[in-house]
Amino acid sequence: SQTIHQWPATLVQPVGSPLSLECTVEGTSNPNLYWYRQAAGRGLQLLFYSVGIGQISSEVPQNLSASRPQDRQFILSSKKLLLSDSGFYLCAWTTTGGAGANVLTFGAGSRLTVL
Amino acid sequence: TQLLEQSPQFLSIQEGENLTVYCNSSSVFSSLQWYRQEPGEGPVLLVTVVTGGEVKKLKRLTFQFGDARKDSSLHITAAQPGDTGLYLCAGEGDYKLSFGAGTTVTVRA
Repeated sequence: SQTIHQWPATLVQPVGSPLSLECTVEGTSNPNLYWYRQAAGRGLQLLFYSVGIGQISSEVPQNLSASRPQDRQFILSSKKLLLSDSGFYLCAWTTTGGAGANVLTFGAGSRLTVL
Repeated sequence: TQLLEQSPQFLSIQEGENLTVYCNSSSVFSSLQWYRQEPGEGPVLLVTVVTGGEVKKLKRLTFQFGDARKDSSLHITAAQPGDTGLYLCAGEGDYKLSFGAGTTVTVRA
């Protein structure tokens, strides 16, 4: 079966510290992978997406970067965290749903608090 | 810039009442999807609509895609406390989905 793992689930970091959030998927090959950020109780902002190893597209300028070292691994990083980086980070991959539409399957999310 | 506008932002109703959530855009999407999210978890897909004018029913939930494929609505009949959650619409285009800001629905017992 196809599953997505995301860790850590919760993270509290001081301003200026580095960040690494990891996401892996199982049961599929060459997935499209995504990192979204969500403010409390609100919609999702697309940060990065990847259609293959080493291929990263950034949606918004920010303090974060993403990498895809392996087909089923997607990493979100920062060298120096800002207070504004706090939020709920969601990794997702797309599968083809009804009538060819691409639908997202999300991980359980990583709650980041920057103090 | 928010491509998809959802309304209302918050909705609180009594059990047994009906509710409608709207999702509007000036863009045309190849598909429009609705997700539901519980606190502390990732969103879960409810439905995908791809054809203009399409209507899909999922038990007490009815989803409609506008004729021009720019807008959608979600209608819940006889809402139950288990329907409480954040409802998100998302439009598909160019490998990615763009989300609305969400509607927080609270159904009181």
